[in-house]
Amino acid sequence: EIVLTQSPATLSLSPGERATLSCRASQSVSNYLAWYQQIPGQAPRLLIHDASNRATGIPARFSGSGSGTDFTLTISSLEPEDFAVYYCQQRSNWYTFGQGTKLEIK
Amino acid sequence: QVQLQESGPGLVKPSETLSLTCTVSGDSISSYYWSWIRQPPGKGLEWIGYVYYSGSTNYNPSLKSRVTISVDTSKNQFSLKLSSVTAADTAVYYCARGRWADFQHWGQGTLVTVSS
Repeated sequence: EIVLTQSPATLSLSPGERATLSCRASQSVSNYLAWYQQIPGQAPRLLIHDASNRATGIPARFSGSGSGTDFTLTISSLEPEDFAVYYCQQRSNWYTFGQGTKLEIK
Repeated sequence: QVQLQESGPGLVKPSETLSLTCTVSGDSISSYYWSWIRQPPGKGLEWIGYVYYSGSTNYNPSLKSRVTISVDTSKNQFSLKLSSVTAADTAVYYCARGRWADFQHWGQGTLVTVSS
Protein backbone atom coordinates (compact mmCIF):
# COMPACT_ATOMS: atom_id res chain seq x y z
CA GLU A 1 0.00 0.00 0.00
CA ILE A 2 1.28 3.47 -0.88
CA VAL A 3 1.18 5.77 2.14
CA LEU A 4 0.74 9.51 1.64
CA THR A 5 2.12 11.79 4.35
CA GLN A 6 0.92 15.38 4.42
CA SER A 7 2.65 18.26 6.17
CA PRO A 8 2.13 20.28 8.14
CA ALA A 9 -0.86 18.86 10.01
CA THR A 10 -2.08 22.38 10.69
CA LEU A 11 -1.13 25.60 8.93
CA SER A 12 -2.07 28.95 10.45
CA LEU A 13 -2.06 31.88 8.02
CA SER A 14 -3.87 35.14 7.36
CA PRO A 15 -5.98 36.10 4.33
CA GLY A 16 -3.77 37.37 1.53
CA GLU A 17 -0.81 35.19 2.52
CA ARG A 18 0.64 32.34 0.45
CA ALA A 19 -0.02 28.75 1.55
CA THR A 20 2.25 25.83 0.70
CA LEU A 21 1.03 22.30 1.52
CA SER A 22 3.15 19.19 1.07
CA CYS A 23 2.31 15.57 0.24
CA ARG A 24 4.94 12.84 0.19
CA ALA A 25 4.34 9.32 -1.14
CA SER A 26 6.06 6.22 0.23
CA GLN A 27 6.89 5.19 -3.34
CA SER A 28 6.51 6.77 -6.74
CA VAL A 29 2.98 7.51 -7.94
CA SER A 30 4.18 9.10 -11.20
CA ASN A 31 1.85 12.09 -11.63
CA TYR A 32 -1.31 10.28 -10.43
CA LEU A 33 -1.83 12.67 -7.54
CA ALA A 34 -4.94 14.72 -6.81
CA TRP A 35 -5.79 17.39 -4.24
CA TYR A 36 -9.17 17.99 -2.58
CA GLN A 37 -10.60 20.72 -0.38
CA GLN A 38 -13.11 19.83 2.32
CA ILE A 39 -15.12 22.44 4.18
CA PRO A 40 -16.66 21.10 7.44
CA GLY A 41 -20.01 19.45 6.81
CA GLN A 42 -19.44 19.24 3.06
CA ALA A 43 -18.13 16.65 0.64
CA PRO A 44 -14.58 16.98 -0.65
CA ARG A 45 -14.10 19.01 -3.84
CA LEU A 46 -11.52 18.12 -6.47
CA LEU A 47 -9.03 20.97 -6.91
CA ILE A 48 -6.07 19.48 -8.80
CA HIS A 49 -5.74 16.27 -10.83
CA ASP A 50 -2.70 14.61 -12.39
CA ALA A 51 -0.48 16.61 -10.00
CA SER A 52 -0.74 19.99 -11.71
CA ASN A 53 -4.03 20.34 -13.62
CA ARG A 54 -6.77 22.49 -12.11
CA ALA A 55 -10.20 20.92 -12.13
CA THR A 56 -13.07 22.69 -13.85
CA GLY A 57 -14.07 25.92 -12.14
CA ILE A 58 -11.13 26.04 -9.71
CA PRO A 59 -9.62 29.54 -9.32
CA ALA A 60 -6.15 30.20 -10.68
CA ARG A 61 -4.76 30.95 -7.20
CA PHE A 62 -4.67 27.16 -6.67
CA SER A 63 -1.73 25.36 -8.27
CA GLY A 64 -0.14 21.96 -7.94
CA SER A 65 3.34 20.71 -8.68
CA GLY A 66 5.58 17.68 -8.29
CA SER A 67 5.99 14.15 -9.58
CA GLY A 68 7.20 10.82 -8.29
CA THR A 69 7.07 11.07 -4.49
CA ASP A 70 6.98 14.78 -3.63
CA PHE A 71 4.05 17.06 -4.36
CA THR A 72 2.98 20.57 -3.41
CA LEU A 73 -0.32 22.44 -3.40
CA THR A 74 0.10 26.21 -3.42
CA ILE A 75 -2.57 28.82 -2.79
CA SER A 76 -1.05 32.07 -3.97
CA SER A 77 -3.17 34.52 -1.95
CA LEU A 78 -5.59 33.15 0.61
CA GLU A 79 -9.24 34.11 0.45
CA PRO A 80 -11.53 33.67 3.51
CA GLU A 81 -13.28 30.71 1.84
CA ASP A 82 -9.97 28.81 1.45
CA PHE A 83 -9.70 27.95 5.14
CA ALA A 84 -10.56 24.26 5.16
CA VAL A 85 -8.97 20.81 5.26
CA TYR A 86 -6.94 19.67 2.24
CA TYR A 87 -6.29 16.06 1.25
CA CYS A 88 -3.99 14.54 -1.31
CA GLN A 89 -4.91 11.24 -2.99
CA GLN A 90 -3.09 8.77 -5.22
CA ARG A 91 -4.06 5.96 -7.53
CA SER A 92 -1.81 2.93 -7.85
CA ASN A 93 -3.58 -0.39 -7.84
CA TRP A 94 -6.07 1.22 -5.53
CA TYR A 95 -6.67 4.66 -4.02
CA THR A 96 -5.30 6.10 -0.79
CA PHE A 97 -5.59 9.54 0.81
CA GLY A 98 -3.25 11.53 2.98
CA GLN A 99 -4.31 12.32 6.53
CA GLY A 100 -5.08 15.94 5.68
CA THR A 101 -3.75 19.43 6.37
CA LYS A 102 -5.99 21.84 8.24
CA LEU A 103 -5.59 25.40 6.98
CA GLU A 104 -6.78 27.74 9.70
CA ILE A 105 -7.05 31.49 10.11
CA LYS A 106 -4.23 33.01 12.14
CA GLN B 1 -24.33 19.02 -14.27
CA VAL B 2 -23.97 15.56 -12.78
CA GLN B 3 -25.46 15.04 -9.31
CA LEU B 4 -25.11 12.07 -6.99
CA GLN B 5 -27.41 11.27 -4.06
CA GLU B 6 -26.83 8.60 -1.44
CA SER B 7 -29.77 6.85 0.20
CA GLY B 8 -30.22 4.10 2.77
CA PRO B 9 -30.65 3.43 6.48
CA GLY B 10 -28.87 5.75 8.87
CA LEU B 11 -28.68 3.13 11.61
CA VAL B 12 -27.45 -0.45 11.26
CA LYS B 13 -27.07 -3.07 13.99
CA PRO B 14 -23.70 -4.72 14.66
CA SER B 15 -23.09 -7.90 12.60
CA GLU B 16 -25.73 -6.88 10.04
CA THR B 17 -25.23 -5.66 6.45
CA LEU B 18 -25.01 -1.98 5.55
CA SER B 19 -26.76 -1.23 2.25
CA LEU B 20 -26.60 2.09 0.40
CA THR B 21 -27.66 3.24 -3.06
CA CYS B 22 -26.34 6.15 -5.09
CA THR B 23 -28.67 7.68 -7.67
CA VAL B 24 -26.99 9.55 -10.51
CA SER B 25 -28.73 12.38 -12.36
CA GLY B 26 -27.58 14.69 -15.11
CA ASP B 27 -25.33 12.08 -16.67
CA SER B 28 -25.41 8.48 -17.78
CA ILE B 29 -23.86 5.88 -15.54
CA SER B 30 -22.67 4.10 -18.67
CA SER B 31 -19.14 5.45 -18.44
CA TYR B 32 -16.63 6.40 -15.73
CA TYR B 33 -15.74 4.72 -12.44
CA TRP B 34 -18.32 4.83 -9.64
CA SER B 35 -16.87 4.69 -6.15
CA TRP B 36 -17.82 4.55 -2.50
CA ILE B 37 -15.64 6.45 -0.03
CA ARG B 38 -16.16 6.83 3.71
CA GLN B 39 -15.06 9.16 6.48
CA PRO B 40 -15.39 8.27 10.16
CA PRO B 41 -16.42 11.24 12.31
CA GLY B 42 -13.50 13.63 12.72
CA LYS B 43 -11.16 11.45 10.66
CA GLY B 44 -9.80 11.14 7.13
CA LEU B 45 -11.04 9.58 3.91
CA GLU B 46 -10.98 5.89 3.01
CA TRP B 47 -11.77 4.50 -0.44
CA ILE B 48 -14.01 1.44 -0.23
CA GLY B 49 -14.23 0.35 -3.86
CA TYR B 50 -15.55 1.07 -7.31
CA VAL B 51 -17.66 -0.43 -10.02
CA TYR B 52 -16.89 0.39 -13.62
CA TYR B 53 -19.91 0.94 -15.83
CA SER B 54 -19.20 -2.42 -17.46
CA GLY B 55 -19.70 -4.09 -14.09
CA SER B 56 -16.09 -4.83 -13.23
CA THR B 57 -15.09 -4.00 -9.67
CA ASN B 58 -12.05 -3.16 -7.55
CA TYR B 59 -12.08 -3.09 -3.76
CA ASN B 60 -9.86 -1.83 -0.97
CA PRO B 61 -7.96 -4.94 0.18
CA SER B 62 -8.69 -4.11 3.82
CA LEU B 63 -12.45 -4.36 3.19
CA LYS B 64 -12.59 -6.73 0.24
CA SER B 65 -13.94 -9.72 2.14
CA ARG B 66 -17.01 -7.75 3.29
CA VAL B 67 -17.78 -5.47 0.31
CA THR B 68 -19.96 -5.83 -2.76
CA ILE B 69 -20.53 -2.94 -5.17
CA SER B 70 -22.90 -3.31 -8.10
CA VAL B 71 -24.38 -1.14 -10.84
CA ASP B 72 -27.89 -0.94 -12.31
CA THR B 73 -27.60 0.99 -15.56
CA SER B 74 -31.36 0.83 -16.18
CA LYS B 75 -31.96 2.87 -13.02
CA ASN B 76 -28.76 4.96 -13.26
CA GLN B 77 -27.80 3.73 -9.79
CA PHE B 78 -25.01 1.87 -8.09
CA SER B 79 -25.02 0.22 -4.69
CA LEU B 80 -22.83 -0.73 -1.74
CA LYS B 81 -23.21 -3.67 0.59
CA LEU B 82 -20.88 -4.01 3.58
CA SER B 83 -21.42 -7.10 5.68
CA SER B 84 -20.69 -7.94 9.33
CA VAL B 85 -20.49 -4.30 10.38
CA THR B 86 -19.06 -3.11 13.69
CA ALA B 87 -18.85 0.27 15.39
CA ALA B 88 -15.66 0.90 13.40
CA ASP B 89 -17.81 1.11 10.26
CA THR B 90 -19.64 4.18 11.58
CA ALA B 91 -18.90 6.93 9.08
CA VAL B 92 -20.20 9.35 6.51
CA TYR B 93 -20.45 7.38 3.28
CA TYR B 94 -19.95 9.22 0.00
CA CYS B 95 -20.58 8.05 -3.52
CA ALA B 96 -18.43 9.58 -6.23
CA ARG B 97 -17.89 9.62 -9.98
CA GLY B 98 -14.32 9.38 -11.09
CA ARG B 99 -11.85 8.91 -13.87
CA TRP B 100 -9.15 6.29 -13.48
CA ALA B 101 -7.02 8.36 -11.08
CA ASP B 102 -9.32 10.74 -9.17
CA PHE B 103 -12.86 11.61 -8.06
CA GLN B 104 -14.47 14.46 -9.97
CA HIS B 105 -17.95 14.58 -8.47
CA TRP B 106 -19.18 13.61 -5.02
CA GLY B 107 -22.55 13.12 -3.39
CA GLN B 108 -23.33 15.09 -0.24
CA GLY B 109 -22.71 12.05 1.95
CA THR B 110 -24.86 10.09 4.37
CA LEU B 111 -24.05 9.26 7.97
CA VAL B 112 -24.38 5.60 8.88
CA THR B 113 -24.17 4.70 12.54
CA VAL B 114 -23.58 1.13 13.68
CA SER B 115 -25.22 0.59 17.03
CA SER B 116 -27.61 -1.78 18.73
